[in-house]
Amino acid sequence: KAGVTQTPRYLIKTRGQQVTLSCSPISGHRSVSWYQQTPGQGLQFLFEYFSETQRNKGNFPGRFSGRQFSNSRSEMNVSTLELGDSALYLCASSLAPLGNTEAFFGQGTRLTVV
Amino acid sequence: GENVEQHPSTLSVQEGDSAVIKCTYSDSASNYFPWYKQELGKGPQLIIDIRSNVGEKKDQRIAVTLNKTAKHFSLHITETQPEDSAVYFCAASISATGNQFYFGTGTSLTVIP
Repeated sequence: KAGVTQTPRYLIKTRGQQVTLSCSPISGHRSVSWYQQTPGQGLQFLFEYFSETQRNKGNFPGRFSGRQFSNSRSEMNVSTLELGDSALYLCASSLAPLGNTEAFFGQGTRLTVV
Repeated sequence: GENVEQHPSTLSVQEGDSAVIKCTYSDSASNYFPWYKQELGKGPQLIIDIRSNVGEKKDQRIAVTLNKTAKHFSLHITETQPEDSAVYFCAASISATGNQFYFGTGTSLTVIP
């Protein structure tokens, strides 16, 4: 059974640009969550999607957005990139809609903003 | 919101010894507590989890305990091996609100051969 797939693995962008990251969850999983991981702030929740609807949102500015498609694949977008957006962006998928089931992470997308 | 604290931030043990990592949480509504292991260049890997209706869970050399009254939970690794070296994260979630995890700051475990 394939795991969570995130593409691309690495990205280098310039300040002011925008970027789109993709996440394909484990087959059958309908909940997809996104996290930002940095050395200073650790793992911080961005948002969660279930059945194409955003269910939860973390404390990030509106420049961070996401969506989920009917096949459960998800994308997140960051507009007007800042140097501080450099981070590892992780996607996690879960089978059930409630938060007491296992969440499996992908390898992440390493975003560097220069 | 929920706040999860994790200690220690670094831990070195001799191969074969035990390692213990402790976490506390603030929101009594949290009811699901997973532990993740993250190796360099990889995403976090779920290694064990516990739900609030259980006090202890064991899987081979790994065990987790939960004290709901004190709002703390711990990861125990026995007979440590060099391949256990990694960063370990605890997390908490409130099932009613969905799959939003609050993570601890991580523990870098080094097992010395």
